[in-house]
Amino acid sequence: DAKTTQPPSMDCAEGRAANLPCNHSTISGNEYVYWYRQIHSQGPQYIIHGLKNNETNEMASLIITEDRKSSTLILPHATLRDTAVYYCIALSKPNTGNQFYFGTGTSLTVIP
Amino acid sequence: EPEVTQTPSHQVTQMGQEVILRCVPISNHLYFYWYRQILGQKVEFLVSFYNNEISEKSEIFDDQFSVERPDGSNFTLKIRSTKLEDSAMYFCASSEVSGGPNEQFFGPGTRLTVL
Repeated sequence: DAKTTQPPSMDCAEGRAANLPCNHSTISGNEYVYWYRQIHSQGPQYIIHGLKNNETNEMASLIITEDRKSSTLILPHATLRDTAVYYCIALSKPNTGNQFYFGTGTSLTVIP
Repeated sequence: EPEVTQTPSHQVTQMGQEVILRCVPISNHLYFYWYRQILGQKVEFLVSFYNNEISEKSEIFDDQFSVERPDGSNFTLKIRSTKLEDSAMYFCASSEVSGGPNEQFFGPGTRLTVL
């Protein structure tokens, strides 16, 4: 599975969009990009995933570059409750019991 | 909304004792996982389980660890003889089985403290 690189920390003003980048330059064609977050010491929470196309759900949008070497998670209107560590994971065959590799992620702080 | 539940939320034990951590996965899910997170460190994969057998395990998951699905709803992690370094948050997760990719849903975790 491809290695991902994320900035260690970011700040975002409450109500503004939070754009969290992820670099996965060695991603292969069958690897999906998943985003999870962990609020304090709670269990990781699924946010969104994609393969090639941009995706949107009620929580966030995922923008994947055409060459698939990087992606951006967008929280459109960040709230204080979005303060968390965000993990970008590249995973092939995600439905075969494969493990998710959680790196160090990006610690997002939403500022009032 | 269905969710993964874990009990107990906090377990304190003496070194050398056996502990069993319990999880109830989401009811229609068939893949089950255990992860752990030592305080201040990354979330680490331990094991995945499908069709009553281990499908993948990490180096951490040595002979001291075992998993079991004793009935149709519970999924357990047993540590036979706990060590101080087993102190961590243990997260259970589950996912569906389908033709496409599925997300893993995580429980709230059990904090294990080994004294």
